[in-house]
Amino acid sequence: DQQVKQNSPSLSVQEGRISILNCDYTNSMFDYFLWYKKYPAEGPTFLISISSIKDKNEDGRFTVFLNKSAKHLSLHIVPSQPGDSAVYFCAASGQSGTYKYIFGTGTRLKVLA
Amino acid sequence: DGGITQSPKYLFRKEGQNVTLSCEQNLNHDAMYWYRQDPGQGLRLIYYSQIVNDFQKGDIAEGYSVSREKKESFPLTVTSAQKNPTAFYLCASSIRGLEAFFGQGTRLTVV
Repeated sequence: DQQVKQNSPSLSVQEGRISILNCDYTNSMFDYFLWYKKYPAEGPTFLISISSIKDKNEDGRFTVFLNKSAKHLSLHIVPSQPGDSAVYFCAASGQSGTYKYIFGTGTRLKVLA
Repeated sequence: DGGITQSPKYLFRKEGQNVTLSCEQNLNHDAMYWYRQDPGQGLRLIYYSQIVNDFQKGDIAEGYSVSREKKESFPLTVTSAQKNPTAFYLCASSIRGLEAFFGQGTRLTVV
């Protein structure tokens, strides 16, 4: 039973345009959500997070939106750059207060120059 | 420099052997985690520890064992009972409730 889902395995976007990556979750006990960027054969790098008490968090070109009623979050990257090409994972935590992180399956973003 | 160090980067194991993957952090984080990544799949939680001398099973703990004798260290042993050990293994640490930081990973291959 996958509690965190990323239904789009891949996404291609033109340089300079907006990239929107989506993530859905099923467990209403999650209260902290994170996005990570990962290159092949490397560890994931933390990008941005959002607490369930907020619906938006922004950091430079990255914005995360949280819709609790829909159990949906999204990562917006504006403007997209070729260096953004990587696999993006969303993660959720806070389940039962154990602070373990549950990850989605990832979306491969390709930014075309 | 503060961070998480995993070693070795590449590891080869013969069938039936146990191997231990090292994970050390100097971030003074209480919590540490082990994940496994397979091609086309996300990161699946093997074990996690929120405090020294305590750890819990994740979603795919069978065939693995861990110890947490020191705050800085959380080694993972892949035992011969793990049927499909070939994968990319990632260690992470965090202050409880905040973002996790990952090491660079260990690629384990069974030969």
